[in-house]
Amino acid sequence: NAGVMQNPRHLVRRRGQEARLRCSPMKGHSHVYWYRQLPEEGLKFMVYLQKENIIDESGMPKERFSAEFPKEGPSILRIQQVVRGDSAAYFCASSPRTASSGNTIYFGEGSWLTVV
Amino acid sequence: AQKITQTQPGMFVQEKEAVTLDCTYDTSDQSYGLFWYKQPSSGEMIFLIYQGSYDEQNATEGRYSLNFQKARKSANLVISASQLGDSAMYFCAMRRYNQGGKLIFGQGTELSVKP
Repeated sequence: NAGVMQNPRHLVRRRGQEARLRCSPMKGHSHVYWYRQLPEEGLKFMVYLQKENIIDESGMPKERFSAEFPKEGPSILRIQQVVRGDSAAYFCASSPRTASSGNTIYFGEGSWLTVV
Repeated sequence: AQKITQTQPGMFVQEKEAVTLDCTYDTSDQSYGLFWYKQPSSGEMIFLIYQGSYDEQNATEGRYSLNFQKARKSANLVISASQLGDSAMYFCAMRRYNQGGKLIFGQGTELSVKP
């Protein structure tokens, strides 16, 4: 029973390139959350998705960032035209269909983006 | 505004002693959950312990216990018999069930265990 799978674990991009981070939730989970951790800081919520729907994107930067969770396949966090300030760890978490209570939220191991 | 506060940026503890990491939260929600995560230098987020807002008993998981004081809005983590492997960042988080279940994290406390 695989956990939340994120890839790549480490990604290096030059300024202006695109970064794509993938997250496969745990089997049976239809809620996905993305968080960003800047150096020396806690995790900050970015976006909450269910299959084919963005439910809450209140933490997403207005430009260059987008997220999707298609009917088939992993959730993708896409960062266009990356800048040095995008260098961070990006964590994905997943939760079952009925995430109304309890501790049923599981994190992936994170993807570390370095922009050079 | 919903907020988690961890006032101790860094803590030291002697091996085999107990340590308390502080966490206070601010919410107007009636139903919420409180979590503690450990982040070692390797970077992954390791779930330690969970307390629901309606749980009357303090949560315990092995050497971890959560001192939940609802009226004070505090959820301190107690680690008993510290081990060298406990050296890590520790994050307190609150889950808001009326906001889709997203987590709000504190800034973290870096714990160093001395031999």
